[in-house]
Amino acid sequence: AQSVTQLGSHVSVSEGALVLLRCNYSSSVPPYLFWYVQYPNQGLQLLLKYTSAATLVKGINGFEAEFKKSETSFHLTKPSAHMSDAAEYFCAVSGSGGTSYGKLTFGQGTILTVHP
Amino acid sequence: DAMVIQNPRYQVTQFGKPVTLSCSQTLNHNVMYWYQQKSSQAPKLLFHYYDKDFNNEADTPDNFQSRRPNTSFCFLDIRSPGLGDAAMYLCATSRTRSSGGADRETQYFGPGTRLLVL
Repeated sequence: AQSVTQLGSHVSVSEGALVLLRCNYSSSVPPYLFWYVQYPNQGLQLLLKYTSAATLVKGINGFEAEFKKSETSFHLTKPSAHMSDAAEYFCAVSGSGGTSYGKLTFGQGTILTVHP
Repeated sequence: DAMVIQNPRYQVTQFGKPVTLSCSQTLNHNVMYWYQQKSSQAPKLLFHYYDKDFNNEADTPDNFQSRRPNTSFCFLDIRSPGLGDAAMYLCATSRTRSSGGADRETQYFGPGTRLLVL
């Protein structure tokens, strides 16, 4: 079984400030981890993914995330927020075998608001 | 550009009137997924096709069916839509390979179809 917990359903930052979106996962097998962004009335766009290579993963739009096995975390960060970063962000985990093969389990999402 | 396409982007139907949503892909991916996403919620997997093999989630209502006539196309049929079926429906694709063990590829999503039930 696998699960994802995103701490904080809403995060608000000022433009130029650090963005930190938290994600903790639970998986009985080595996980693949993903961050997706969703703008209003749009599909999900992949920001970055961890697939057991480097633990620090760089994605699009200046985002990065670090896989920490000891903490079962995969937090998303961006050094300087931009107004265009305002969206909903989903963390997801994919299993590596059995019935969870290839299937994504999503967190509940975090809405990021960026203030001028 | 290779992509996942969903049509229509917005669909209005009447209570109880069958409706079909379509998804096509130019990625040549062998796995296709349908998700339901209600307001302020995470996407919920309804079912997926692994090649031609259909895999239904245990809690997907019988009201929801799917067809995949070929690699590129996949359809979501809602036989008798209820008010509770109003949602965003997302199609996604992925490619799996076996090389001494399965590799899970990233899921790529279409723009979604927003369904309104009157």
